[in-house]
Amino acid sequence: SQQGEEDPQALSIQEGENATMNCSYKTSINNLQWYRQNSGRGLVHLILIRSNEREKHSGRLRVTLDTSKKSSSLLITASRAADTASYFCATEETSGSRLTFGEGTQLTVNP
Amino acid sequence: EAGVAQSPRYKIIEKRQSVAFWCNPISGHATLYWYQQILGQGPKLLIQFQNNGVVDDSQLPKDRFSAERLKGVDSTLKIQPAKLEDSAVYLCASREGAYNEQFFGPGTRLTVL
Repeated sequence: SQQGEEDPQALSIQEGENATMNCSYKTSINNLQWYRQNSGRGLVHLILIRSNEREKHSGRLRVTLDTSKKSSSLLITASRAADTASYFCATEETSGSRLTFGEGTQLTVNP
Repeated sequence: EAGVAQSPRYKIIEKRQSVAFWCNPISGHATLYWYQQILGQGPKLLIQFQNNGVVDDSQLPKDRFSAERLKGVDSTLKIQPAKLEDSAVYLCASREGAYNEQFFGPGTRLTVL
């Protein structure tokens, strides 16, 4: 069963705008990871945030984690057309090393 | 550093036929995963290997799916016989240690007619 639920399912913005995607989960986690998938390609790891961390940055990406609300957000600043892709959150539970993916957010950045 | 390799990239078969996918993980990565990704959904774990042992195969439909990782390196995933609902992308991933990122291969897109 899928643990993570992304919101929104689809997001369309103009180049230069910021994009925010949210993820909610249900169980206790060791870490939460965000991945990107371009159409017809494999997944690319973007960022990992551990359960004892609240915020993490990587380039134009900012991830927050609120374990009390069991939620995370991914912010992409100054978006580019090349950021068009599906974005997935995945949680790794404390009870094992299985990575459980959500259904993803389809981001479209219009030039 | 070479990434995770998978073959074939595409496969079209008739229902009730058999098919096999191959994965070569990143050198030195002890953990290997097979995922099934149906169009429009997130990947779902089928099986996880630690070296050549199975760690988690609770979501593998064992009546038709099988996987092995001989010698703890390459792995094959087999479907026998295939059903229409098996049409999906099959992704292989590997990682070095526990609780860090996974590296994914390009996937094999399977179409069952």
